[in-house]
Amino acid sequence: QQQVKQSPQSLIVQKGGISIINCAYENTAFDYFPWYQQFPGKGPALLIAIRPDVSEKKEGRFTISFNKSAKQFSLHIMDSQPGDSATYFCAADSGYQLIWGAGTKLIIKP
Amino acid sequence: KAGVTQTPRYLIKTRGQQVTLSCSPISGHRSVSWYQQTPGQGLQFLFEYFSETQRNKGNFPGRFSGRQFSNSRSEMNVSTLELGDSALYLCASSSGTSGGGETQYFGPGTRLLVL
Repeated sequence: QQQVKQSPQSLIVQKGGISIINCAYENTAFDYFPWYQQFPGKGPALLIAIRPDVSEKKEGRFTISFNKSAKQFSLHIMDSQPGDSATYFCAADSGYQLIWGAGTKLIIKP
Repeated sequence: KAGVTQTPRYLIKTRGQQVTLSCSPISGHRSVSWYQQTPGQGLQFLFEYFSETQRNKGNFPGRFSGRQFSNSRSEMNVSTLELGDSALYLCASSSGTSGGGETQYFGPGTRLLVL
């Protein structure tokens, strides 16, 4: 019940395309869902986050879509750029700790 | 504001030894969390300290321990190292006062190699 399942494990997208990463959770007590971005040699950094009272949040080229009934949320990166190449982690916050997905390695091909 | 700093950045140890890693949080942050990151396993939560007290703990053996000082700096100790302890150890800080939903600010990590 504490797991967050993230897919795909790796993703290759052409420059200008849309990158989509999906996450699913089971525990309905989770009330905050952040996405973190990690570049090689760096720690993860918060990219965008959403709470379950909204179905979508957009910040620039990055959008979180949230489906509360299906207990799923996804990250969409529009007009993907080579600089977006990184590992992306979804997470779910129970108020006590963050439960992390396993990560998606995204490569944007020029 | 200075970010989260971790020392050392790289460490090589042999099996059976012990190691201590250090983390200095962002000024004013009172919560420090530790994670183990390995390829394919993502981030595994070790423990969180808030105001010198362990507030949350993950599912790691007792060989993994930590502490936090009055200035919020934190140390993590791993005793009797095993080959499987080779990983990137990340520290993250936050204010710790919101009861969840806070941004965690990560340091660059300490890469530990156990031979």
